[in-house]
Amino acid sequence: SAVISQKPSRDICQRGTSLTIQCQVDSQVTMMFWYRQQPGQSLTLIATANQGSEATYESGFVIDKFPISRPNLTFSTLTVSNMSPEDSSIYLCSVDGLRLTQYFGPGTRLTVL
Amino acid sequence: AQKVTQAQTEISVVEKEDVTLDCVYETRDTTYYLFWYKQPPSGELVFLIRRNSFDEQNEISGRYSWNFQKSTSSFNFTITASQVVDSAVYFCALTTGSARQLTFGSGTQLTVLP
Repeated sequence: SAVISQKPSRDICQRGTSLTIQCQVDSQVTMMFWYRQQPGQSLTLIATANQGSEATYESGFVIDKFPISRPNLTFSTLTVSNMSPEDSSIYLCSVDGLRLTQYFGPGTRLTVL
Repeated sequence: AQKVTQAQTEISVVEKEDVTLDCVYETRDTTYYLFWYKQPPSGELVFLIRRNSFDEQNEISGRYSWNFQKSTSSFNFTITASQVVDSAVYFCALTTGSARQLTFGSGTQLTVLP
């Protein structure tokens, strides 16, 4: 399985600001995914990021709020823009592995005041 | 549409007890994969097992075992002789070859008391 790191591991941000979360993989992968986990809830897919193309967003998530970059096969970023307290969540990236198994990064715990 | 249901929100057991976590899924695809993940308090999601729709063999890995039954659309997870370190939220998830993204159940919070 791939080794995945995320930065920052946690952050406390003010309302109205933006935060960019980085996801780094130790091997080249085709597909990367970004999930949100609100407090006490399950994981919800935000978008799928393929290198060289625009990210594909799930219903309820828009590019203006969650812009994603995928500059190469080992790296992606997710920006949470114009944050509100409702954006307080754990944000996790994952990569597509063997036989559709996804492996997850350690997550970024975001608190918006 | 795909759906994964974990009816047990919270389970509490005493150490050394056996515990089974239930998972029921819905999909119209004939080819699909089922997964279990563990999320300890630290927050990372740890992959435990994958099972494809053509393989109904049960699997045992140490104290963990999984029972996949297509007839009841269930993929249950049993921990034998539970330990305090098993305390975590456990998620069941489903993906199909076409969709690729994971559909997660709501999770079961397992607490193992000493």
